[in-house]
Amino acid sequence: QSALTQPASVSGSPGQSITISCTGTSSDVGGYNYVSWYQQHPGKAPKLMIYDVSNRPSGVSNRFSGSKSGNTASLTISGLQAEDEADYYCSSYTSGSTLVLFGGGTKLDVL
Amino acid sequence: EVQLVESGGGLVQPGRSLRLSCAASGFTFEDYAMHWVRQAQGKGLEWVSGISWNSGTIGYADSVKGRFTISRDNAKNSLYLQMNSLRAEDTALYYCAKDAYYDITMGSDYWGQGTLVTVSS
Repeated sequence: QSALTQPASVSGSPGQSITISCTGTSSDVGGYNYVSWYQQHPGKAPKLMIYDVSNRPSGVSNRFSGSKSGNTASLTISGLQAEDEADYYCSSYTSGSTLVLFGGGTKLDVL
Repeated sequence: EVQLVESGGGLVQPGRSLRLSCAASGFTFEDYAMHWVRQAQGKGLEWVSGISWNSGTIGYADSVKGRFTISRDNAKNSLYLQMNSLRAEDTALYYCAKDAYYDITMGSDYWGQGTLVTVSS
C-alpha cells in the first residue's frame, strides 16, 4: 500500500493561516475517521496535534484544526507563529493487513 | 506521568537479529494499543507495527512483514519488537508509541524518545 500524499513544503507569514493536505483513498482516509496529525521539531519525538480527523488533545492550541472531505484530510494552522515551524505528518487507519499509513511529511516554514 | 522508554537498539550485521523493548509506565498499559514507528535519518515517519490491547489485532508494514514480530506482556507493562533478517534499510530510530484507544487507530498521544538501530557490516 502506498503512503498518504502530502505536499513536501508549505510556507506562511506570522499571523497567517495555512492548510496542509493529506490525500489517500477510500480504503484509508476516506473510509475511516482515524486520521491523525503530528508535529515534529528537529531532534524531537513526534507530538500528536489532531486525532480522529478533528479532535484536539488536551494542551494543543486551538489554532490547530483538522477536517476531512472525501479521501483528503486537512490540517489548518491559524495565526501562524514562529514555533509552528516544523515537520507535519498525517496518518490514517487502513483496511487490509497493513493497518496504518503515514504521509510523507510536510515541512512548514514560517517566513 | 506517562513514560515510554525504548531499549535494545545498537549496531548489528545484516541478516542478524535484534529485539527491541519498550517499558511503559504512568498509565494502564493493558488498556491501550501500542505501536512501533521508525524514522531513518533525514526521512519521514514509517509505521512498522501495531498491536491491540489484548494482542487480538496485529499489523505490520509490508516492508517488515515476515521478518519482524510485535508482542506485548501486559503483566510487565512492556512492548517488544523481534527483528530478524535485518537489512541495511532497517537502519532507523525506532519509536514506541501509545495509541489513544484499545484498538489500533494510530492516534498516538505519547511517544518514547526512540532507540537507534544501525544495520551494517
